[in-house]
Amino acid sequence: KAGVTQTPRYLIKTRGQQVTLSCSPISGHRSVSWYQQTPGQGLQFLFEYFSETQRNKGNFPGRFSGRQFSNSRSEMNVSTLELGDSALYLCASSLGTGDNEQFFGPGTRLTVL
Amino acid sequence: SQQGEEDPQALSIQEGENATMNCSYKTSINNLQWYRQNSGRGLVHLILIRSNEREKHSGRLRVTLDTSKKSSSLLITASRAADTASYFCATDAYLSNAGNMLTFGGGTRLMVKP
Repeated sequence: KAGVTQTPRYLIKTRGQQVTLSCSPISGHRSVSWYQQTPGQGLQFLFEYFSETQRNKGNFPGRFSGRQFSNSRSEMNVSTLELGDSALYLCASSLGTGDNEQFFGPGTRLTVL
Repeated sequence: SQQGEEDPQALSIQEGENATMNCSYKTSINNLQWYRQNSGRGLVHLILIRSNEREKHSGRLRVTLDTSKKSSSLLITASRAADTASYFCATDAYLSNAGNMLTFGGGTRLMVKP
């Protein structure tokens, strides 16, 4: 099976802009989760989508949003970018039925100038 | 916020030696997972151990879990230079909606010298 794919791999934006990141899960996986990784805060959970519905949400402001399509592909959007949003954004897919492994994509590295 | 701490934060060993990393967490868990990350790339899933399991093996990896102490350890035997990476533990707490929400530790940076 193909792994989790994320596009784009790198992005450079300026403050105030918005950005959309995409994630395609492993075939058959219905859950997609998003994580932010920064040197200061480490890996932090953003949100999880399952069957096109947001099932769980982390402690991030409303500028961070996401959605999931019927084919389980997911997008996350960050509006009004701030310098602190510079990070590696990772998505993970899993079967979504509770107790199972999450498989991560290569990440999108976002730099906000 | 992070679930717990990993110890040590950095570890440097010679090829062929064993490497042990520890992870502590704070709340009850459904399972605990270990991941490897090379130089800011994606996370590679290594092993999952469920809360009712005490030990698990996968190749040169051995993971233990002590739920009474809320701690886990990852042992890499006969290390190789290619094992150089950051290692993270992540806890998956039981959620009533059966959702997935991993909480990561700060990671251990392992360097294996040839």
